[in-house]
Amino acid sequence: DQQVKQNSPSLSVQEGRISILNCDYTNSMFDYFLWYKKYPAEGPTFLISISSIKDKNEDGRFTVFLNKSAKHLSLHIVPSQPGDSAVYFCAASLVMYSGGGADGLTFGKGTHLIIQP
Amino acid sequence: NAGVTQTPKFQVLKTGQSMTLQCAQDMNHNSMYWYRQDPGMGLRLIYYSASEGTTDKGEVPNGYNVSRLNKREFSLRLESAAPSQTSVYFCASSESDKNYGYTFGSGTRLTVV
Repeated sequence: DQQVKQNSPSLSVQEGRISILNCDYTNSMFDYFLWYKKYPAEGPTFLISISSIKDKNEDGRFTVFLNKSAKHLSLHIVPSQPGDSAVYFCAASLVMYSGGGADGLTFGKGTHLIIQP
Repeated sequence: NAGVTQTPKFQVLKTGQSMTLQCAQDMNHNSMYWYRQDPGMGLRLIYYSASEGTTDKGEVPNGYNVSRLNKREFSLRLESAAPSQTSVYFCASSESDKNYGYTFGSGTRLTVV
């Protein structure tokens, strides 16, 4: 049973436009959400996160929105740049300030974002 | 640069062979993790170590063992490799009391033939 779902395996966006990546989750106990970016042959790198007590977090061109009632979050990238082409993973955690990070993160399957020139 | 170092980067094994994947971090993180990534499956947690001296199973632990050798090092062992263990393996670490996101290594691409 997949607890974190990214239903779009790929997304193509024109350079300069907005990219919107979506993520749904089923476990209402998740209270911290993260987005990771992954280039080929590299490990995922942390991009942005949001706590369940917030509905928006912004960092430069990246904004994450959380709708708890819908169990949905989205990552907005504005404006999209060629270097944004990568696989984006949504992840969720059961605890924000865990005593030992023991529960790990539950990841979605990823969305491959392609920025067209 | 500070970070998570994984060795080897690539490995080909025959079915039944054993090997150990090494991971070391120099950020003084308490928690360390092993994930595997398969096409269309995202990343799945194999084992984790909340702190030095402790290890616990994740989502897909069968066929693997781990050792938290010290605070820096967390190794993953395949005792008898199977083709189903062909995957890309990522080690990660995190500061236990500040969830700023995990730091991942660059991965080990393992093929079992």
